[in-house]
Amino acid sequence: KAGVTQTPRYLIKTRGQQVTLSCSPISGHRSVSWYQQTPGQGLQFLFEYFSETQRNKGNFPGRFSGRQFSNSRSEMNVSTLELGDSALYLCASSASARGYEQYFGPGTRLTVT
Amino acid sequence: AQTVTQSQPEMSVQEAETVTLSCTYDTSESNYYLFWYKQPPSRQMILVIRQEAYKQQNATENRFSVNFQKAAKSFSLKISDSQLGDTAMYFCAFHSGAGTASKLTFGTGTRLQVTL
Repeated sequence: KAGVTQTPRYLIKTRGQQVTLSCSPISGHRSVSWYQQTPGQGLQFLFEYFSETQRNKGNFPGRFSGRQFSNSRSEMNVSTLELGDSALYLCASSASARGYEQYFGPGTRLTVT
Repeated sequence: AQTVTQSQPEMSVQEAETVTLSCTYDTSESNYYLFWYKQPPSRQMILVIRQEAYKQQNATENRFSVNFQKAAKSFSLKISDSQLGDTAMYFCAFHSGAGTASKLTFGTGTRLQVTL
């Protein structure tokens, strides 16, 4: 089985722009979670989707949003980018309806200048 | 809210030796799941091992094993016969077993360097 894929792998954006990141889960996995990883804050949970519904959301401003499609692929969007949004964004998928055992993609490295 | 603490920011071990990484957590729940993830310099987060809190037996995956002490809320990872490819950041993570919320809470990580 193919693993979790994320596109693009690297992205450079300017402050104030918006960005959309994509995640394709492992085939058959319906739970998709997103995490932000920074040197200062570590790994922080953004949100989780299951069957196109957001089930859980982390403590991030409304500029961070996401969605999941009927084929379980997910996208996350960040509007009005700030310098502090520079991070590695990781997507993870799980076969469990509860999302216990999560498998991660390679991440998207976002740099905001 | 659950918290996960990894008190060893960095560790070093010689090839073929054994090393133990520490992790403690805080929760009021009785049913939950614990994981160790490895993140090598390539940045891909890899699941190393999992432990269900209701299982008394410690999980083992090849050279990796855990020492799960539920009462002490401790979950350490032992790597036997360390290999150069084990060099990575190691993260301990907690997943609640309650409700429908799905979320991993991570520790701050331990950077492990395996040397010749």
